[in-house]
Amino acid sequence: KAGVTQTPRYLIKTRGQQVTLSCSPISGHRSVSWYQQTPGQGLQFLFEYFSETQRNKGNFPGRFSGRQFSNSRSEMNVSTLELGDSALYLCASRRIGPYEQYFGPGTRLTVT
Amino acid sequence: GQQLNQSPQSMFIQEGEDVSMNCTSSSIFNTWLWYKQDPGEGPVLLIALYKAGELTSNGRLTAQFGITRKDSFLNISASIPSDVGIYFCAGPLNNAGNMLTFGGGTRLMVKP
Repeated sequence: KAGVTQTPRYLIKTRGQQVTLSCSPISGHRSVSWYQQTPGQGLQFLFEYFSETQRNKGNFPGRFSGRQFSNSRSEMNVSTLELGDSALYLCASRRIGPYEQYFGPGTRLTVT
Repeated sequence: GQQLNQSPQSMFIQEGEDVSMNCTSSSIFNTWLWYKQDPGEGPVLLIALYKAGELTSNGRLTAQFGITRKDSFLNISASIPSDVGIYFCAGPLNNAGNMLTFGGGTRLMVKP
């Protein structure tokens, strides 16, 4: 079974721009969560989608948004990028039931 | 912010040695997850624990769910160079299990 895939793997953007990251979950997994990883704050929960609905959101500004499609694929968008948004953005998927989340390789976003 | 405290923050050991690390919380968790992250990659799930007192093994790795439900331990026996990486504990912030909080990680370095 293929794992979680994320595209692109690396991205360089300029302050003020916006960016869209994509995530394809493991086949059969309907829940997709997004996390931000930085050296200072570690791994932090951004939001989770299930059946095209956002169920929970972490403590991030409204510039961070996402969506999920009917095939469970998900995208996250960051608008008006700031230097502090530079991070590894991780997507994780899971089946409903067990709490185990399976992560993709991440997208490394650098904001200059 | 993070609710899980991991120790030690880093370890530098000789190949063949056993390793122990732990994760503590001020809150009760009903699930503990242990992940390993290699540089530039996403976390990989190692072990999931669902019951207080539970002891689960995965090859040379053994993890325990503390009986107070506020801690968990991960042991690696007979370490090898490929054990190098950062080990994270994680637990769900809600009953739905779709929001994980992570510890700060234990960086393991193995000297051949």
